[in-house]
Amino acid sequence: MYLVESGGGLVQPGGSLRLSCAASGFTFSSYWMSWVRQAPGRGLEWVASIKQGGSQKYYVDSVKGRFTVSRDDAEKSLFLQMNSLTADDTAMYYCARAGMFRGLWDYWGQGALVTVSS
Amino acid sequence: EIVLTQSPATLSLSPGERATLSCRASQSVSVYLAWYQQRPGQAPRLLIYDATNRATGIPARFSGSGSGTDFTLTISSLEPEDFAVYYCQQRSIWPPYTFGQGTKLEI
Repeated sequence: MYLVESGGGLVQPGGSLRLSCAASGFTFSSYWMSWVRQAPGRGLEWVASIKQGGSQKYYVDSVKGRFTVSRDDAEKSLFLQMNSLTADDTAMYYCARAGMFRGLWDYWGQGALVTVSS
Repeated sequence: EIVLTQSPATLSLSPGERATLSCRASQSVSVYLAWYQQRPGQAPRLLIYDATNRATGIPARFSGSGSGTDFTLTISSLEPEDFAVYYCQQRSIWPPYTFGQGTKLEI
């Protein structure tokens, strides 16, 4: 079972970035998926979750209107489109599978680092 | 938003000792409280869910207790690989799902 994030990097304030998470080893379409981030030296923060099929999406208030979570079940992939980035968005972004329950993450990727700086 | 407060911030113990970590919620989360372990440079790992249930593959030295607003993670006899940061997380009232600020368990 693997979750592999990609798309991180350095971006200027106000810029955009799209993260991807490729899943393998499980039936991706059967699970809620989420993004959780961790600023350098800080704790964990839930960012967004998306239901199987993509019909429901939820976000932490600080990213609403700027970030969009999506998924492609046929390609077993999860995405996070991040716009209007600020320094406060600098973090490691983890893709995580909600196993038994939608808010309980049993498998995590190794993360993609996003740095917002001029 | 439910705020989770973990204590202590840092816990200094030796291998073989017993560790007791606490998590207090700003309002009741029933039993919908999980614990994660994060080693340096690694992703978090699920240890305990619904307050008392060990996740798949988690050793029996890890146990959880509590309900409502007060929860405890106990490690009965510390192994060298247990020195890490531990986070509690609630899924009772969401969005947002929230985490505690973490407890660093150090040698």
